Amino acid sequence: QQQVKQSPQSLIVQKGGISIINCAYENTAFDYFPWYQQFPGKGPALLIAIRPDVSEKKEGRFTISFNKSAKQFSLHIMDSQPGDSATYFCAATVYSGAGSYQLTFGKGTKLSVIP
Amino acid sequence: DADVTQTPRNRITKTGKRIMLECSQTKGHDRMYWYRQDPGLGLRLIYYSFDVKDINKGEISDGYSVSRQAQAKFSLSLESAIPNQTALYFCATSDPWDRGGELFFGEGSRLTVL
Repeated sequence: QQQVKQSPQSLIVQKGGISIINCAYENTAFDYFPWYQQFPGKGPALLIAIRPDVSEKKEGRFTISFNKSAKQFSLHIMDSQPGDSATYFCAATVYSGAGSYQLTFGKGTKLSVIP
Repeated sequence: DADVTQTPRNRITKTGKRIMLECSQTKGHDRMYWYRQDPGLGLRLIYYSFDVKDINKGEISDGYSVSRQAQAKFSLSLESAIPNQTALYFCATSDPWDRGGELFFGEGSRLTVL
């Protein structure tokens, strides 16, 4: 119930192409879906996030698409650049009471953008 | 200076040794976390603390202990390290008033147990 399934585990995209990472969840109580980006040697950092009341959120070249009925969401990176090479984690948050939020991460996707 | 600082950044130790990983933060957040990252397994929560008097186990707490010495300091201990505890460890903080619970991570501590 608390799992977030992420695919693919690794992805190689040519410069200028579109990178697509998919995530699926089961728990309909999840109410916030962030994506974290992690560069080698660094900790993850919040990249973009969406709430289930919208179907799409765009920030620059990064777009989250959200399908509530299918319980799926995905990250699209348009015009992918070598600097986008990183590991991406999807996540889902559910309110667990007393001001506490429980965050569940997907297993991550290692993206390599080749020139 | 980093908002979330972890020491040491790298450590090699032997089976059976006691190891402490330290975390300090300047973000003023009450909530602090320890995660473990393994290739293909993602980020798994070891322990978390919502304030100095509050310590909670995460999904993989066996073999680990923590201490919250102050609002800004949260340390992770391995009482008797074993090789399958070789991993990258991250400390993180969050603001309890942030409904999304954004996590702010340190740069990680790479631990190798021989």
